[in-house]
Amino acid sequence: SQTIHQWPATLVQPVGSPLSLECTVEGTSNPNLYWYRQAAGRGLQLLFYSVGIGQISSEVPQNLSASRPQDRQFILSSKKLLLSDSGFYLCAWGRGGGTYEQYFGPGTRLTVT
Amino acid sequence: GDSVTQMEGPVTLSEEAFLTINCTYTATGYPSLFWYVQYPGEGLQLLLKATKADDKGSNKGFEATYRKETTSFHLEKGSVQVSDSAVYFCALSETYGQNFVFGPGTRLSVLP
Repeated sequence: SQTIHQWPATLVQPVGSPLSLECTVEGTSNPNLYWYRQAAGRGLQLLFYSVGIGQISSEVPQNLSASRPQDRQFILSSKKLLLSDSGFYLCAWGRGGGTYEQYFGPGTRLTVT
Repeated sequence: GDSVTQMEGPVTLSEEAFLTINCTYTATGYPSLFWYVQYPGEGLQLLLKATKADDKGSNKGFEATYRKETTSFHLEKGSVQVSDSAVYFCALSETYGQNFVFGPGTRLSVLP
């Protein structure tokens, strides 16, 4: 069966510090991978998605970047965090195409102070 | 572009009450439709899905029917429990698309 992991689970970082969040998927190959952000009490905002190694699409211009160094690894990064980067970050994987659902990781709660 | 609209929350019900959360969508193609549930502090879990018109998705007592004529996918449950308290997201995915479109979510609180 497939599983998706995210770490860390929670993170408190000062403004201006770097960020690295990691997501890995087990039990499947060549998945589509996604990063979402969920601000407090808000819906989901798609940040990045990837259909293969080294292939990253950005949905919104921002202070963040993503990389996919391996087939089942997806990393979200920032060189300098802003207060507005606080939120709940969710990684998801899917097989792509209309009938296939996405499966979500447990999320990382990021607080920028 | 595609979009999903959900009823505004929060929705507060007593235990054993009937639940309806409305969801309507706009899509250029022929999408698949999904309901996800998010419990406090957790990621989203797939609750049910439907891939074509008149399909009924069901799981854990929840059900939703894909209505193409009204572009709707309303979530229902006959008797809610306190453990159903969560945020519910309606979503769609186009046939040849890579991404989902999520609704804003509806928070449900069930009181004992």
